[in-house]
Amino acid sequence: GENVEQHPSTLSVQEGDSAVIKCTYSDSASNYFPWYKQELGKRPQLIIDIRSNVGEKKDQRIAVTLNKTAKHFSLHITETQPEDSAVYFCAASPGGGNKLTFGTGTQLKVEL
Amino acid sequence: DAGVIQSPRHEVTEMGQEVTLRCKPISGHNSLFWYRQTMMRGLELLIYFNNNVPIDDSGMPEDRFSAKMPNASFSTLKIQPSEPRDSAVYFCASSLGMRAEAFFGQGTRLTVV
Repeated sequence: GENVEQHPSTLSVQEGDSAVIKCTYSDSASNYFPWYKQELGKRPQLIIDIRSNVGEKKDQRIAVTLNKTAKHFSLHITETQPEDSAVYFCAASPGGGNKLTFGTGTQLKVEL
Repeated sequence: DAGVIQSPRHEVTEMGQEVTLRCKPISGHNSLFWYRQTMMRGLELLIYFNNNVPIDDSGMPEDRFSAKMPNASFSTLKIQPSEPRDSAVYFCASSLGMRAEAFFGQGTRLTVV
């Protein structure tokens, strides 16, 4: 089955700096890669996703890049704000659907 | 829409007891997923349904776990008998089709003592 590795497990940045979280996957059939944000005690919420027919996708301060050859994808958050502090999960899905294998999560802390 | 609704929000039970977790997906969504979240194993997909039919239950850890979806607006996840290692947050999620965004419920925090 699919295996998703995520790094780093914790990330601390100063407000206004950029944050990058990286994931690798094992199944070359995977073609859907969502990112979820989970605040403490709350539900995971989709923040951005990318399908394998594109290499990059942006939504305001958030961007995701995908390198299918190397089987890795990354989340980029620019101009970080305290409200960006949360756990971020990457995921991958063979078949492009919602049968997701999640990474282990990255605890992002944005410090004032 | 109220989103995906799960009940109860918290459940504390004794080892050996039966536990039933409930989920009401977003109206009109035809795909439903049950996930388990623990510190050790992260978010794991247990089972998912499409049009009320179980499609893949390979993530269900043991025969003690079972899930049903009797109709499009209701699903249950049952653990019988429960064990302390079942303690986790159980999330239900739904989507409109398998390729659309999956919306998560608030989760049920299960503690088995």
